[in-house]
Order: sequence, then structure tokens, then C-alpha cells
Amino acid sequence: EEQLVESGGALVQPGGSLRLSCAASGFSFSSYEMNWVRQAPGKGLEWVSYINSNNNNIDYADSVKGRFTISRDNAKNSLYLQMNSLRVEDTAVYYCARERDWGNAFDFWGQGTMVTVSS
Amino acid sequence: QSVLTQAPSVSGAPGQRVTISCTGSSSNIGAAYDVHWYQHIPGTAPKLLIYGNNNRPSGVPDRFSGSKSGTSASLAITGLQAEDEAHYYCQSYDSSLRGSVFGGGTKLTVL
Repeated sequence: EEQLVESGGALVQPGGSLRLSCAASGFSFSSYEMNWVRQAPGKGLEWVSYINSNNNNIDYADSVKGRFTISRDNAKNSLYLQMNSLRVEDTAVYYCARERDWGNAFDFWGQGTMVTVSS
Repeated sequence: QSVLTQAPSVSGAPGQRVTISCTGSSSNIGAAYDVHWYQHIPGTAPKLLIYGNNNRPSGVPDRFSGSKSGTSASLAITGLQAEDEAHYYCQSYDSSLRGSVFGGGTKLTVL
């Protein structure tokens, strides 16, 4: 069974840091491009970051550029999001999502992990 | 403000047909980038409904269909069922922003 399981969400103060993880199983993780997508309370989905299968092509939304870093370890079937200089507006459920070669469609998502930035 | 524009809500009675629209611009939908649609029930993982403008992944009923024209796209749902009550999001790629973009989402209420 294919699975994506996010972890690492927590309550953190503004200016703090957090590292999210996404553990993949049931499919060939190293063959897929991956993304992070978030949903703030009462808001819609917002794309956060993208990484290709080889770790050499990365993109970020302007709202997180310079503060967040996406990475992956194909040997551990894991995706990561290092979040620094966190702001109140980063409060959201963070999802990892698998991307197919169907014109950047996200065909499989995890259940999400909650990040709350508050003093 | 989302890059892709969707109506906040739509409703329909069981068995009826509803459409959800998604309007973009020349740097995303109008630039021939594909449009994808997702169903999201709060508290669960979003689910891919339509990819590549009008294709259904395995397991998605044919009651769901997609279309695209110019800078807009639409999701149609026929034979509405109570279980269709959810939020629906369109997604594409934007060449100016160099990343994926989502619509603001449309909440479907089945009356």
C-alpha cells in the first residue's frame, strides 16, 4: 500500500525553526518528484516547494523563499522541509504530495502535519 | 488573492449537475499549462480528481469531468451525491511565478 506520512509539526514561536519529514512507502520514492503544499486555517491550498527526483532542481513559493529549504534522502525514502525564521502566517497544515509526469499533477498526498507559529 | 480564481461556493440537489470554474491568465492556463482538479474534505488528504485538463485517474467515477478553454477551465459533476460535498481546487503551473498555483477553492454543498 502506498503511503506518505508527515511528521514534525509543532507549536513554535515566531522566529523559530522546525523540520518537517515525510516518510514514503509502498512505491519507488526515488523515481518521483515531490512537493510540499500547505493550508492555513480557513484558507485554501498553497504550493510551498518542489524538488525533482535527483535533488538538483528545486523551486519555492515567493512567500517562503530564503527561509525554507526542501531536501530528500532517496536511500531513506524521505522528504524534508527545513523551516527557519517562522512567521505567524506560516501556521498551516503541511502536506507532502507526489508529482506524476502528468503535467505536474499531484497524484498522492499525505494526511498532513500541523505547524502553529504563535507566541 | 489566489492566482487562479474560483467561486467560493456552489450548491446543487442530489442527481443534479454542477460546474465549477477556474479562471487564470496568460502565464498559467492561457500559456497551455495543464489544469488539474482536487477534491478535499477537511481533515483528510486531498484527492486528485482530474489531471491534464480532462483525464480521470483510476478509480474516479465518470460523473467527474474536466474541460479547458483559453485562460479558463471547468470541472463538471453530474448525478450529484451527498458524498460529493467537499472543497474543490484547480491547480496549474505559472511561468512567471515558476511554480504551481492553486485556485482559492470552491465549497460544494449538496442540498
